[in-house]
Amino acid sequence: QSVLTQPPSASGTPGQRVTLSCSGSTSNIGSNAVNWYQQLPGTAPKLLIYGNNQRPSGVPDRFSGSKSGTSASLAISGLQSDDEADYYCAAWDDSLSGYWVFGGGTKLTVL
Amino acid sequence: QITLKESGPTLVKPTQTLTLTCTFSGFSLSTSAVGVGWIRQPPGKALEWLALIYWDDDKRYSPSLKSRLTITKDTSKNQVVLTMTNMDPVDTATYYCAHSHYDSSGYYVFFDYWGQGTLVTVSS
Repeated sequence: QSVLTQPPSASGTPGQRVTLSCSGSTSNIGSNAVNWYQQLPGTAPKLLIYGNNQRPSGVPDRFSGSKSGTSASLAISGLQSDDEADYYCAAWDDSLSGYWVFGGGTKLTVL
Repeated sequence: QITLKESGPTLVKPTQTLTLTCTFSGFSLSTSAVGVGWIRQPPGKALEWLALIYWDDDKRYSPSLKSRLTITKDTSKNQVVLTMTNMDPVDTATYYCAHSHYDSSGYYVFFDYWGQGTLVTVSS
């Protein structure tokens, strides 16, 4: 059972805009920034968004992130077949001694 | 160019201790605000963070696994070692190590470089 809650699946057609959600609590998303990772089949995760809405160099501006309260969202516009992957949100949790928490991941299918 | 690579046994028996080594290049674990973490992923399942060691030797562990984990670093060898005791079949997973640091603002922290992962199977 992951600490952050993500819908297990989402889908869209090429060119469409999709939004993936991530829900947490006051000790993680409510207090700290959210990062998003993309994991293509058979590969290691790749940092997609950090600091709620910052894109690392090389990440297309089709990907955008936002946060409100204890929830965060990842939006993908102009959906492409290459975007078919698992997407994970993550945040630092301030409880206990502090630790990273991940979501259960959303598998995005491009129809 | 930052690279990380995990190494260790591919098969361990139940109750044994797992020792994994992350060998990295392109950065120093003596640089301020830098860390190396371990994350695992059971087959077909989600990512699970395990442990993190910082440049100043501060260590953090997953609360649910803390009693079984130990993370150490050897700065001179550019290596981070994770040990996990009392292995069980449910610990079967791909284990990743990843580079952690803060962005230029010094405010946001993240895992920006990941190793390729190593699959560890726990079975008798």
